[in-house]
Amino acid sequence: GAGVSQTPSNKVTEKGKYVELRCDPISGHTALYWYRQSLGQGPEFLIYFQGTGAADDSGLPNDRFFAVRPEGSVSTLKIQRTERGDSAVYLCASSEGPGELFFGEGSRLTVL
Amino acid sequence: SQQGEEDPQALSIQEGENATMNCSYKTSINNLQWYRQNSGRGLVHLILIRSNEREKHSGRLRVTLDTSKKSSSLLITASRAADTASYFCATGDYKLSFGAGTTVTVRA
Repeated sequence: GAGVSQTPSNKVTEKGKYVELRCDPISGHTALYWYRQSLGQGPEFLIYFQGTGAADDSGLPNDRFFAVRPEGSVSTLKIQRTERGDSAVYLCASSEGPGELFFGEGSRLTVL
Repeated sequence: SQQGEEDPQALSIQEGENATMNCSYKTSINNLQWYRQNSGRGLVHLILIRSNEREKHSGRLRVTLDTSKKSSSLLITASRAADTASYFCATGDYKLSFGAGTTVTVRA
């Protein structure tokens, strides 16, 4: 596709449920990033991939959060046992190398 | 933790006026970027300035960088209603650290 695609755009779930958020990066971009953005704040780094491997996962808040990129393209962010504090917009971005990131529109997660 | 901090938090200006916002950061950098985010949308890259550059222009945007003061500024000249958005500075090479942003409102 022409840009970074994220699905779903909106997800409402109940506390304790499992959630998957998907990111389809720009074709050919080797780096893929996940950020989380709360209302009125800047994006907060979660994890980034170079190819299939997680190059830096230092931003994942705890072991309920996990992300994969098995074929070096599409990535899935997985959140287990969701909590109300997980409610935020989850942003995915991709890049060819260091520098400019291309962001998707985000997946808004609401945990009731 | 967020490396960059933007100032002011919010800015309201009349169409046609200039808007200036500042970013301060803590550690040494190779480059600094500015992004724009319209309400409910993703971030869009505006400009990247390298640590050996002092000023850079792109259309109505002018960015300065002062590495001795660990600060950068973004100037938007002749603002338009479409410039209403939040603006973020970001530092880092791959793993970018963003500030909390400056929300700019341009009144018609």
